[in-house]
Amino acid sequence: DIQMTQSPSSLSASVGDRVTISCRASQRISRYLNWYQYKAGKAPKVLIDSASNLQSGVPSRFSGSGSGTDFTLTITSLEPEDFATYYCQQSFTTPGSFGPGTRVDVK
Amino acid sequence: EVQLMESGGGLVQPGGSLRLSCAASGFNFHAYAMHWVRHTPEKGLEYISAISNDAVYKSHADSVKGRFTVSRDNSKNTLFLQMDSLRPEDTGMYYCAKGVAPGPRTHFDYWGQGTLVSVSS
Repeated sequence: DIQMTQSPSSLSASVGDRVTISCRASQRISRYLNWYQYKAGKAPKVLIDSASNLQSGVPSRFSGSGSGTDFTLTITSLEPEDFATYYCQQSFTTPGSFGPGTRVDVK
Repeated sequence: EVQLMESGGGLVQPGGSLRLSCAASGFNFHAYAMHWVRHTPEKGLEYISAISNDAVYKSHADSVKGRFTVSRDNSKNTLFLQMDSLRPEDTGMYYCAKGVAPGPRTHFDYWGQGTLVSVSS
């Protein structure tokens, strides 16, 4: 199975900060990489699919990049509602494994 | 409006069984692959099972292979997860999620609110 890693595992940031989260796959997955936002007690929400395709309704401050094994999620200016845990997920093979998550909390 | 509603969770002893259901509405259920994902505080989101739109293709994570079985009834717009030989580490919130294509290799665009499974003696 493909293993996904993320860094950092957590970070503290302030509203208005630029945040960058990295995701790495254990083998090449082309651009079959998706990003989700998770808040406790709520359903996960897809932000980006295919490495860089922003989902409808997701603010443009979110962006994704990368291909092959290395990917990045960027939030250009953090808003209060963005404090959450972010997961990458590969859909190159099934089961489509998730990364361990990056928790973004208030500095 | 797409809706996914999980049910069937609860408290069960180790070695026990549960059957989760996910009732779908608001889209052509028979046209899309469906998935089960769980969340635990220890591991975060964990992909559990996938089933193609026609149920020909099924896959399960290694952690549940041989114990969990995914299935679907397209006539009733319902997804199932039969969970046998449950372990304490299976404790978590179980979500069903809709894929965006007939096959399973896609992201998930809609999720249910989850059903809680607790495995403890």
